[in-house]
Amino acid sequence: EADIYQTPRYLVIGTGKKITLECSQTMGHDKMYWYQQDPGMELHLIHYSYGVNSTEKGDLSSESTVSRIRTEHFPLTLESARPSHTSQYLCASSPKRGGNTGELFFGEGSRLTVL
Amino acid sequence: KNQVEQSPQSLIILEGKNCTLQCNYTVSPFSNLRWYKQDTGRGPVSLTIMTFSENTKSNGRYTATLDADTKQSSLHITASQLSDSASYICVVSDRGSTLGRLYFGRGTQLTVWP
Repeated sequence: EADIYQTPRYLVIGTGKKITLECSQTMGHDKMYWYQQDPGMELHLIHYSYGVNSTEKGDLSSESTVSRIRTEHFPLTLESARPSHTSQYLCASSPKRGGNTGELFFGEGSRLTVL
Repeated sequence: KNQVEQSPQSLIILEGKNCTLQCNYTVSPFSNLRWYKQDTGRGPVSLTIMTFSENTKSNGRYTATLDADTKQSSLHITASQLSDSASYICVVSDRGSTLGRLYFGRGTQLTVWP
């Protein structure tokens, strides 16, 4: 069992609200990632971090932002949610070895619905 | 263009039967290929990893194969159980840079009926 936790698991909010999806891992992994997953589609990388104070945008354009102040914590924030942000958000981490090709350990996901 | 294609998109089998899921990729240069299992409402979990030199690898009732020449991989599930119902995702890594990157397939949704 991987020790990576996401909260909330489910969130339904109105348009224009600010939300933060939390992700924490207790494995001491340097690398952390946020993926977006829609039904029947592949996972898309939206943000990643190689360590504290390191954040990068992924392949999929996103209006969200992330921060990495502590190794174990990698929250994702949407300043003003829109219906197009409705999706499943998966947080993952991996150890430093193996570059970006190592095994990913995923959280259980946060399903966001914006009305 | 680096891509990962999985087939079939969905599959229904009866409990106790075997099945094989396919993954074709065009990722180059190839580093490794992983199969992940994603239960409904959960995050993906790695089942097995295949590197360039490996042809077959087993993990319990799961057996993965890799043909690096034809750029194909398969995941064979033996004596299926209800708990095998899940999405199976093929993920291919490249080694085009120091850090590499990942390419995800869309998954095969497997349903096992009693």
